[in-house]
Amino acid sequence: GEDVEQSLFLSVREGDSSVINCTYTDSSSTYLYWYKQEPGAGLQLLTYIFSNMDMKQDQRLTVLLNKKDKHLSLRIADTQTGDSAIYFCAESPGGYNKLIFGAGTRLAVHP
Amino acid sequence: DTAVSQTPKYLVTQMGNDKSIKCEQNLGHDTMYWYKQDSKKFLKIMFSYNNKELIINETVPNRFSPKSPDKAHLNLHINSLELGDSAVYFCASSQNWDEQYFGPGTRLTVT
Repeated sequence: GEDVEQSLFLSVREGDSSVINCTYTDSSSTYLYWYKQEPGAGLQLLTYIFSNMDMKQDQRLTVLLNKKDKHLSLRIADTQTGDSAIYFCAESPGGYNKLIFGAGTRLAVHP
Repeated sequence: DTAVSQTPKYLVTQMGNDKSIKCEQNLGHDTMYWYKQDSKKFLKIMFSYNNKELIINETVPNRFSPKSPDKAHLNLHINSLELGDSAVYFCASSQNWDEQYFGPGTRLTVT
């Protein structure tokens, strides 16, 4: 089946690291994605990881993939107020050109 | 230069009306999509077109009819609008199986 789960809320202090977790069900997913949605805006592709990788780093963002447990995480180092947004995890089930999204994690950054 | 654009940004209409939302991408991609985001921020794919051919048609009422006049455009026509159609509709595009780029969304409100 196709299902992606995320915790709904995360609150962190400015300057701390944020870790957003996601679990997915379809082991055939070739890519796994993280999208960011700011209030009233569209979705911005933040980063993605190929399924045969276990880690990808891109500036302040680190993606970890545990394929055995079907667990994906996004770590944001030195979290800033501008990082406040909803973060969506998504899988792309093999053979289908579509994204299955999680419910989104609302990240709140406070001083 | 806007990569994926949608018109209109906001659409308020009454139940029973017929309306269209337009999407255009200037990225040269060959695949385009429509997603629906409900009031709880759940995002779900509706349709996908590849080279003007319908590839994905999720369980969407047949009141929704996508039309792709060319590779750069994918429009969504909705007949007999219902209250439950109120949502934000996102268009996206990709090149084959690569990452998807989203438009800014069209907020549809049915009264």
